[in-house]
Formats: sequence, C-alpha cells, structure tokens
Amino acid sequence: ILNVEQSPQSLHVQEGDSTNFTCSFPSSNFYALHWYRWETAKSPEALFVMTLNGDEKKKGRISATLNTKEGYSYLYIKGSQPEDSATYLCARMDSSYKLIFGSGTRLLVRP
Amino acid sequence: DAGVIQSPRHEVTEMGQEVTLRCKPISGHDYLFWYRQTMMRGLELLIYFNNNVPIDDSGMPEDRFSAKMPNASFSTLKIQPSEPRDSAVYFCASSFRTSSSYNEQFFGPGTRLTVL
Repeated sequence: ILNVEQSPQSLHVQEGDSTNFTCSFPSSNFYALHWYRWETAKSPEALFVMTLNGDEKKKGRISATLNTKEGYSYLYIKGSQPEDSATYLCARMDSSYKLIFGSGTRLLVRP
Repeated sequence: DAGVIQSPRHEVTEMGQEVTLRCKPISGHDYLFWYRQTMMRGLELLIYFNNNVPIDDSGMPEDRFSAKMPNASFSTLKIQPSEPRDSAVYFCASSFRTSSSYNEQFFGPGTRLTVL
C-alpha cells in the first residue's frame, strides 16, 4: 500500500446501528495514525492519535484499533446517532511529522 | 484560547490577482501547517513550519505559491498570480510536539477561495 486508503467511501446507516470503517496505510516508517471527524461547513477535529501496535482508544461511543504490522486501523461507532453524520478522516504520520490523509468515509445516519 | 484563526473566511478574486491568506496559530504551538482541500485531491499538505522555519514545501503546487511565517503567531500563504484552478478551501493547522508524543493538529475554519 503506497497511500492512505479508506473504505467505504460513504455509508448510510439507520439511527441505532453500529458501524465501522477501515483505514489502510503503508506500515514502513510509521510513527502515528490520526483519526479526525469533519462535519460539513466546519473544520476537522481530532478524535484519536494512535502510535503503538495493538492500541485501542475510546471516546464515548466511538473507538479505534491499530495494527501497525499489517498497516490498518478500524474506527467503530456503536449505536450511531444523527449527530455522528460527518466525514471521518484518517491520516498517517511518518518520521517527518507530516500527515498524509486518506480521502475519508462519509457517514450519514438517518433518524 | 480562540483556536486557530484564519482570515479572510471567503475570498472571491479575478484571475491574475494576488491573494493573501492569513493564519494565527494557537499560542504555544510550534508547528504550523497549510492544507488545501479540493474535491479531486482531498486534503493535501502544502507546506509546514517548525518554530517559524519552513521544513517541507514539497506540496506547494508551483512558484505562484509562497508561504511565510515571520513570527510564532502569524503566517501567510500567498498566490500570485491566482488562477481558477486555485479555487479551493485552504486550511491552516497548528500543533505542538513533545519528545514522547505526536499530538493532534488543530485546524482553523478555513478560507474558501474562488478565482473567477
């Protein structure tokens, strides 16, 4: 994998459904993996910064896992709510401290 | 703290004009990043500074783009001359780095640039 790739590109779920997205990234020269939440007409806001293989982080109903050896991270949302509707971006950081962003997963939660 | 401040929020200009975008990072942050967001390319890094020094400008599209950071509380991104394909949302972000962590970046509200 040469770039940061996210799937699916978009996702429509019903309120109360649980959902998850995938972020795949090059595993070489890995320093950190960031997840951001980006609501329409606003700016991206950080959810998690993960660095260690096997890391798991949680914030309310949202959690994330990290596998640096195989180069992927999962973001989970339990019991989706309409206010969770946003684009979820992941970004990989290497030793240069630059973030390379994926194209995002656009989530729409229907009431 | 008010967060990262960008101005203007919207800019409409004609092709060939000079455009200057401004950013004030969060006080105490030692890294500043300029990003451009387009439908085609997503969120891409243009340039970033550490302690006011440009570290990597490999994302700057061409010589028409330039960025400066004269002090820790102010940065500009200038496009001269502007072209319609420069139309995008430009974000500024800042962060601080410690020896043991890689901290999140805090984004400003963005400047929506339209070049006619």
